[in-house]
Amino acid sequence: QKEVEQDPGPLSVPEGAIVSLNCTYSNSAFQYFMWYRQYSRKGPELLMYTYSSGNKEDGRFTAQVDKSSKYISLFIRDSQPSDSATYLCAMSRGFNAGNMLTFGGGTRLMVKP
Amino acid sequence: EAGVTQFPSHSVIEKGQTVTLRCDPISGHDNLYWYRRVMGKEIKFLLHFVKESKQDESGMPNNRFLAERTGGTYSTLKVQPAELEDSGVYFCASSQGVTAYQETQYFGPGTRLLVL
Repeated sequence: QKEVEQDPGPLSVPEGAIVSLNCTYSNSAFQYFMWYRQYSRKGPELLMYTYSSGNKEDGRFTAQVDKSSKYISLFIRDSQPSDSATYLCAMSRGFNAGNMLTFGGGTRLMVKP
Repeated sequence: EAGVTQFPSHSVIEKGQTVTLRCDPISGHDNLYWYRRVMGKEIKFLLHFVKESKQDESGMPNNRFLAERTGGTYSTLKVQPAELEDSGVYFCASSQGVTAYQETQYFGPGTRLLVL
């Protein structure tokens, strides 16, 4: 069983839609939760970063973490064609574990004009 | 400021040959990480340097992989001899390393390795 599960998609939505991306995980030691965006032929780029449970908002993006359910989400409001990319969730146990990241497989998102 | 750079961007080699990948982290970043994504799988951790020292190499698949970080600056990852299953995208990431909290890891564009 993978430590982090993520639906690979693809997820196709019309411009302006609200997008919901999710990951589940099995390791309760994860403390830090991140969402990366990856465009084709590029490296992952950090979008959102959350410590422990709770919500965090940044512009059109909202990240939610529910540690009791081992479930994290990323919401994108007013989605734009430029949001079309692969979204990767990533987690770590933190500094004492070297901050190494454990990734989900990524969800490919397509936003159509 | 330049980001993380990786060289080459692509490499096609035959099984049994040697390939060396290079990563130049963001200047001043003490932490350097190597990750790999093989076809159809998630990005997986390979190893972590703090300056020139290997902090964690638990993700290295076998002894055909050798990583070095000379003088705590750039890093190389050598695969010798390469096997078909080594094909994938190799990412390097760096972080500053000045805090005791999870720091942002900045990723390079990756090296796409194809072993024939």
